[in-house]
Amino acid sequence: DVKVTQSSRYLVKRTGEKVFLECVQDMDHENMFWYRQDPGLGLRLIYFSYDVKMKEKGDIPEGYSVSREKKERFSLILESTSTNQTSMYLCASRPTGGFDEQYFGPGTRLTVT
Amino acid sequence: RKEVEQDPGPFNVPEGATVAFNCTYSNSASQSFFWYRQDCRKEPKLLMSVYSSGNEDGRFTAQLNRASQYISLLIRDSKLSDSATYLCAVLSGGGADGLTFGKGTHLIIQP
Repeated sequence: DVKVTQSSRYLVKRTGEKVFLECVQDMDHENMFWYRQDPGLGLRLIYFSYDVKMKEKGDIPEGYSVSREKKERFSLILESTSTNQTSMYLCASRPTGGFDEQYFGPGTRLTVT
Repeated sequence: RKEVEQDPGPFNVPEGATVAFNCTYSNSASQSFFWYRQDCRKEPKLLMSVYSSGNEDGRFTAQLNRASQYISLLIRDSKLSDSATYLCAVLSGGGADGLTFGKGTHLIIQP
């Protein structure tokens, strides 16, 4: 069974604090993704990575960075949080291939006050 | 990034009824198609893949219309437990850039 885990389910941070969100997958997938999901806006891709140490910007990378030092781990970094980064953050992984689904972690609900 | 569009609903449907959703996509080169189900405050989970020939899984049927660039999901004999948000997803690139999701259709099954 594919497992994608995220380091926290809920986080509350103050404006300006630094946040690390960690994601780990155990299925040796090449591709990993970070999304945020907001009511009415759907899932929006922040960053993705198709290999160790490789990263690509998604649709909304501003205010975020990522790190992929090991194949199984993909971290999302918020250097200085702002209230507009309050959201549900979802990590996903996927093998390279045309018909394979994407597997999601349980999500981290981040609140920035 | 190409668009994937869905009617957000909500669709309020009596238990036992049949309901259908469509999802349109704009990139004619899209390769793979999926329907995901998302319950409130949970992560999306794959409901079914959508193949060119269509596919059926119990009460659920998914179809692809490449000419008109849409996919559909049909739910027969709807149950209260079918209440959820249904997201369509499209793979347009080589796989590494992930799926593009619609914003979801909210379905409420009423007793």
